[in-house]
Amino acid sequence: AQSVTQPDIHITVSEGASLELRCNYSYGATPYLFWYVQSPGQGLQLLLKYFSGDTLVQGIKGFEAEFKRSQSSFNLRKPSVHWSDAAEYFCAVGSNDYKLSFGAGTTVTVRA
Amino acid sequence: EAGVAQSPRYKIIEKRQSVAFWCNPISGHATLYWYQQILGQGPKLLIQFQNNGVVDDSQLPKDRFSAERLKGVDSTLKIQPAKLEDSAVYLCASSLAEDTQYFGPGTRLTVL
Repeated sequence: AQSVTQPDIHITVSEGASLELRCNYSYGATPYLFWYVQSPGQGLQLLLKYFSGDTLVQGIKGFEAEFKRSQSSFNLRKPSVHWSDAAEYFCAVGSNDYKLSFGAGTTVTVRA
Repeated sequence: EAGVAQSPRYKIIEKRQSVAFWCNPISGHATLYWYQQILGQGPKLLIQFQNNGVVDDSQLPKDRFSAERLKGVDSTLKIQPAKLEDSAVYLCASSLAEDTQYFGPGTRLTVL
């Protein structure tokens, strides 16, 4: 069975600063990896996904993530955060039958 | 393109009462998922439909939860009777060809 660990429960970052959210997964085969964002009272919006190919994936809203098989990681980055990036971020791993297992999430607070 | 629709957005009930949630997936999406998201946790899959057939309901508490997807489009999730620990956000998602899941806004259930 697959699983995801997001080590950081809460991160506070200044507007304009860079952001990196960590994600470690456990899965025996080649994983399908996703990052979703959830704003308060909203559903989950897909930021980006990795299925195969280039290990550096570009997403929406200026986010990118890098798949590192040797470290079982899929960290999310953004060079310069905006106040609107304050939200909860979920990493998920999909199995061969595309069932998703989510991490517990990281809450991002952006200070002015 | 319209997204995944869910209703109601909020529901408050007393324990032991029954409740039902409705989901309308993105047009043409054959696969539909129901997730339970307890506060502070990532979403957990309850049930997965492929058209109107159940693919996986291994995590559905079948003594009190039921779900159906008549005609392979809309779906309803029912809880009867509700318990305090059922307080959560219930998310519906749909996907085309089982790769990327798109989520609705969710229904926030409070059981008193």
